[in-house]
Amino acid sequence: GQNIDQPTEMTATEGAIVQINCTYQTSGFNGLFWYQQHAGEAPTFLSYNVLDGLEEKGRFSSFLSRSKGYSYLLLKELQMKDSASYLCAVRDGSISGGYNKLIFGAGTRLAVHP
Amino acid sequence: DGGITQSPKYLFRKEGQNVTLSCEQNLNHDAMYWYRQDPGQGLRLIYYSQIVNDFQKGDIAEGYSVSREKKESFPLTVTSAQKNPTAFYLCASSMGRNEQFFGPGTRLTVL
Repeated sequence: GQNIDQPTEMTATEGAIVQINCTYQTSGFNGLFWYQQHAGEAPTFLSYNVLDGLEEKGRFSSFLSRSKGYSYLLLKELQMKDSASYLCAVRDGSISGGYNKLIFGAGTRLAVHP
Repeated sequence: DGGITQSPKYLFRKEGQNVTLSCEQNLNHDAMYWYRQDPGQGLRLIYYSQIVNDFQKGDIAEGYSVSREKKESFPLTVTSAQKNPTAFYLCASSMGRNEQFFGPGTRLTVL
């Protein structure tokens, strides 16, 4: 089957570092995406990993271990505006024809406090 | 500016009525998608289209219909057959297998 797990909620302090974990089980794997979604708004793309290792993009980094079915999103120097939901999505590689099907986790709601 | 637009932002419908949600993109993307988001759940795929005049059912297509007559447009109709239509609906598009870009969403409430 296909399953993606993320913690439901996390809290952190402004200026700190927070790590949001994502574990997945899919019939085929072809990349993992992280999106940020503020309440009532559209998800916005943060990062993409297809090979093992760390991808860094400013204050945000994302890590992937395909053998462990595990990824994390690392947010540094937290700001109040980082309070949002963070969605982990896995691209299902078992679909033929080049179709870009994403399986989404339920999201992790992050609250940043002063 | 390129992007995806959805209208309306809020929509109210009486039970038994069909309603159509609009999605337009000017990103020149070939692929378009419709998702449904419910509290505490991940985005679930309703329909997707890889090219004009072609579309496929996603995981929860029952009670929904779509059309793709133009590259820029992918409207979703929520029919009276959909048992629990109240939700936040998100449209997305992508260039091939690259990241998906999302519209601002339409919140549908059935009264």
